[in-house]
Amino acid sequence: GQQLNQSPQSMFIQEGEDVSMNCTSSSIFNTWLWYKQDPGEGPVLLIALYKAGELTSNGRLTAQFGITRKDSFLNISASIPSDVGIYFCAGQLYQGAQKLVFGQGTRLTINP
Amino acid sequence: DGGITQSPKYLFRKEGQNVTLSCEQNLNHDAMYWYRQDPGQGLRLIYYSQIVNDFQKGDIAEGYSVSREKKESFPLTVTSAQKNPTAFYLCASTQGGLYEQYFGPGTRLTVT
Repeated sequence: GQQLNQSPQSMFIQEGEDVSMNCTSSSIFNTWLWYKQDPGEGPVLLIALYKAGELTSNGRLTAQFGITRKDSFLNISASIPSDVGIYFCAGQLYQGAQKLVFGQGTRLTINP
Repeated sequence: DGGITQSPKYLFRKEGQNVTLSCEQNLNHDAMYWYRQDPGQGLRLIYYSQIVNDFQKGDIAEGYSVSREKKESFPLTVTSAQKNPTAFYLCASTQGGLYEQYFGPGTRLTVT
């Protein structure tokens, strides 16, 4: 099936640092979503992107829908301990697609 | 409070037994989904349902069965035919026509 390449797979940073992660694909996507999952919990939707080039913020989080529609980026500014978790990207391949394609996740660890 | 509930949080079964995982939503969402997550892995789609009394296989449906008799409920049965049933199971739902899936808290199934 379709795959999203999410990178990096893991990140180890100091508290206060900025974080950047991305998802890429060889296919064009209609919608991009970013989720965060805490250990033992379900993913929580952070940001949804619907238009190529769109840049959307949610507090310290900023995500962009790549202009080629084949990639998306998530940035976290001034990281804090509660940012620890796994971040997933997900995409909808085309308008009306019934399913989402998920990336493998980026595990974020923060050293205080 | 609107949301998705999954019960129980932890489930233990002996090999060879069928087990049913519950998923209920009071968001009035049309579509519901079941995913499987293995340690360090992304989400893999098992089954999904767009409307009551209809459902489709996802990428890894073998060894699983579902029903959708009510809009708010989408139970998943893990049968004895599933070779490696131990995993974290996530239920999600979305309003028809929208692609922002919202997840439940998950059920961790352990089969020994």
